[in-house]
Amino acid sequence: DGGITQSPKYLFRKEGQNVTLSCEQNLNHDAMYWYRQDPGQGLRLIYYSQIVNDFQKGDIAEGYSVSREKKESFPLTVTSAQKNPTAFYLCASKPGGPHSYEQYFGPGTRLTVT
Amino acid sequence: DQQVKQNSPSLSVQEGRISILNCDYTNSMFDYFLWYKKYPAEGPTFLISISSIKDKNEDGRFTVFLNKSAKHLSLHIVPSQPGDSAVYFCAARAQISNFGNEKLTFGTGTRLTIIP
Repeated sequence: DGGITQSPKYLFRKEGQNVTLSCEQNLNHDAMYWYRQDPGQGLRLIYYSQIVNDFQKGDIAEGYSVSREKKESFPLTVTSAQKNPTAFYLCASKPGGPHSYEQYFGPGTRLTVT
Repeated sequence: DQQVKQNSPSLSVQEGRISILNCDYTNSMFDYFLWYKKYPAEGPTFLISISSIKDKNEDGRFTVFLNKSAKHLSLHIVPSQPGDSAVYFCAARAQISNFGNEKLTFGTGTRLTIIP
């Protein structure tokens, strides 16, 4: 059945290491998004991609990188330059075309960096 | 600058009564508003939405009201059920380029607890 998968559910890393979070969707959606959620805060946009081979910085892109080589996949790399990487990371996707505004979210990955 | 605000971090409501969650925004370029429901350690799920050209949208127990002049929207849940206990996020959509780029801006969420 269709959906968005994020793996792993929990991820632990040592400070100074880069880590890549996976996001895959089989909904045939054009657009994909990465957000982070911190306690007591809303979802903040890290990067988004409207189409394959194109992506744009969101509001808090510093310390992160992405790629969009396939329509189904939008991995996020948390680099050692990200000062506060511990957070709950959410991936979302959205169909293309006009009048489709709802984003569909994956289950999230909780990253803990010590 | 918080463009979408949910000023109540938490709300408790008796089962069977009405739950009213509020959201205020500042950006007049927002043209579509959405409500999401989120359980702990899960991704948000879409609940209901409203276009800026409308003032009300209803779906079963959920109704969203939009007061454009006040830049205010609210989500009404009636009757409230224990399964409604979750965090509710308000989100607003804006187009950010002529090439179809758009983004959602989320509020900080309201934790709703339904008391049996």
